[in-house]
Amino acid sequence: AQKITQTQPGMFVQEKEAVTLDCTYDTSDQSYGLFWYKQPSSGEMIFLIYQGSYDEQNATEGRYSLNFQKARKSANLVISASQLGDSAMYFCALRNQAGTALIFGKGTTLSVSS
Amino acid sequence: DTEVTQTPKHLVMGMTNKKSLKCEQHMGHRAMYWYKQKAKKPPELMFVYSYEKLSINESVPSRFSPECPNSSLLNLHLHALQPEDSALYLCASSQEGGRVKNIQYFGAGTRLSVL
Repeated sequence: AQKITQTQPGMFVQEKEAVTLDCTYDTSDQSYGLFWYKQPSSGEMIFLIYQGSYDEQNATEGRYSLNFQKARKSANLVISASQLGDSAMYFCALRNQAGTALIFGKGTTLSVSS
Repeated sequence: DTEVTQTPKHLVMGMTNKKSLKCEQHMGHRAMYWYKQKAKKPPELMFVYSYEKLSINESVPSRFSPECPNSSLLNLHLHALQPEDSALYLCASSQEGGRVKNIQYFGAGTRLSVL
């Protein structure tokens, strides 16, 4: 069975600080992809970053980077230099080779203060 | 452009009403999805369309009826809903094919309240 675990219901950080949002996953497949989405209070799910199981380097997209540790089955999202606009719910998701659906974690609410 | 457009943004309906949610994308994606999301919970998959054909129905009650008139449009027809169906309904699209990297792009959702 596939599963995504996000153990931090809420995280608090000050502007300009870096923050790490944890995500661990469970799958028996060799080929899979990991995704992070941001959902502000407006509701839209915004794609942030993708990591493939065979990718040798950690993914980066601007201020977002993914700390991928395959042996530990973790795919933590690192946001550098937090901004007030980063306050949102963040979801980690898994998709395997055969699957169509994304398996989502329960999410982490990030609050950035000035 | 990675835009998925959903209308309406908000919808209030009675339990005897019939209404429809609409989703549109122009990215050439051939897979489209409906998700239901309750407050502070992750999205739950409802339906998947692949090349305009229904490929996945996650045991959704028949009061929800999806339709894919063409490759750019996805509708969700609502009839005789219950108050517990109140939620955010999200539409998404992606390239078709079994690649794990097929990114799903989401719309802003329709907030539905059933009275």
